[in-house]
Amino acid sequence: DQQVKQNSPSLSVQEGRISILNCDYTNSMFDYFLWYKKYPAEGPTFLISISSIKDKNEDGRFTVFLNKSAKHLSLHIVPSQPGDSAVYFCAASETNTGNQFYFGTGTSLTVIP
Amino acid sequence: ETGVTQSPTHLIKTRGQQVTLRCSSQSGHNTVSWYQQALGQGPQFIFQYYREEENGRGNFPPRFSGLQFPNYSSELNVNALELDDSALYLCASSLPAGLYNEQFFGPGTRLTVL
Repeated sequence: DQQVKQNSPSLSVQEGRISILNCDYTNSMFDYFLWYKKYPAEGPTFLISISSIKDKNEDGRFTVFLNKSAKHLSLHIVPSQPGDSAVYFCAASETNTGNQFYFGTGTSLTVIP
Repeated sequence: ETGVTQSPTHLIKTRGQQVTLRCSSQSGHNTVSWYQQALGQGPQFIFQYYREEENGRGNFPPRFSGLQFPNYSSELNVNALELDDSALYLCASSLPAGLYNEQFFGPGTRLTVL
């Protein structure tokens, strides 16, 4: 049972435009969400997080939006840069039961120069 | 500040063998989690160790076991290897569970079972 889903395996965006990556989850007890970026032959790198008490968190070019009623989160990258090309994973956890994170299957982002 | 390191980088084993993978956590982190990432999938939680005790386990059989040492480094042991165990094994360290703490990942160990 996949509790975290990323339904778009890939996304291509022109440099300078906005990239929007989506993630859906099924467990209403999840209260902490993260986005990781992964380059080939490297481990995932933490990008940005959001707790369920917020609906938006911003860090530079990266903004994460959380819609709890829809059990949906999205990552916006503005403006997109070629160096952003990587696989992006969203992850979710229920902090009261420990730091077990459930990951989506990833979206491969390609930013075209 | 030293990041999370894992060894070996790559490993090839045959079905039925046993394997031990190692992880050194990031400085100051006392919690280590292990994940299995099959090709085309996201990381799947195997288990977590906090202060040398198992602190949560995912849906993996008992032949997947682990250890955490006083210096917070950790091992993942897999017995009776099966072909489906071929995957990238990721170790992540963090501050204690129960807080809004992100996990920091190592580069992984690529295990191939023939």
